[in-house]
Amino acid sequence: GESVGLHLPTLSVQEGDNSIINCAYSNSASDYFIWYKQESGKGPQFIIDIRSNMDKRQGQRVTVLLNKTVKHLSLQIAATQPGDSAVYFCAEKSYNTDKLIFGTGTRLQVFP
Amino acid sequence: EAGVAQSPRYKIIEKRQSVAFWCNPISGHATLYWYQQILGQGPKLLIQFQNNGVVDDSQLPKDRFSAERLKGVDSTLKIQPAKLEDSAVYLCASSRQGQGYTFGSGTRLTVV
Repeated sequence: GESVGLHLPTLSVQEGDNSIINCAYSNSASDYFIWYKQESGKGPQFIIDIRSNMDKRQGQRVTVLLNKTVKHLSLQIAATQPGDSAVYFCAEKSYNTDKLIFGTGTRLQVFP
Repeated sequence: EAGVAQSPRYKIIEKRQSVAFWCNPISGHATLYWYQQILGQGPKLLIQFQNNGVVDDSQLPKDRFSAERLKGVDSTLKIQPAKLEDSAVYLCASSRQGQGYTFGSGTRLTVV
């Protein structure tokens, strides 16, 4: 299938390990953040979101951390599985618009 | 619920030709977006509709790109004439007001 990104930063992890994917955002007015997973040949798929009044939110095997002081967002994936292999994008949105701005993405590779 | 439908999945055209992409959003989603995703990059917003009205088309190259959503449901994105640098995946997404986006699988355009 087609490749989403050939020159993206890549994180390689062993199956079962925890993964941490980082993202820096630029707009201090952004108040809503989303992590998306994109597999080859597919559109971005929602993973987890967080609003700016929170600094941590947990889902099933995933945790998002938000540090507004340094405008930094991270996605933690626990017990990474081969099915987690994909490109991960963070996206930000400010309070007065419905427009999502995407970051450049990180490719996660999971090996046995 | 059914997802966002896009067609065609793939399109190859010669430069200076025209092409059109179609999107059917999730039923009840008033907001529809077209994004362009160049290989190795995050999606970039081209145009945002609220029902059949344009909310934001500031990033749409209006000399060659056009989009419409006449009845507030389906949308088409057209490129005329196409350039080599238009080669990308064109993603359609829809959302309810203030909620997360759902993306389609995209149309991969190759201009030769």
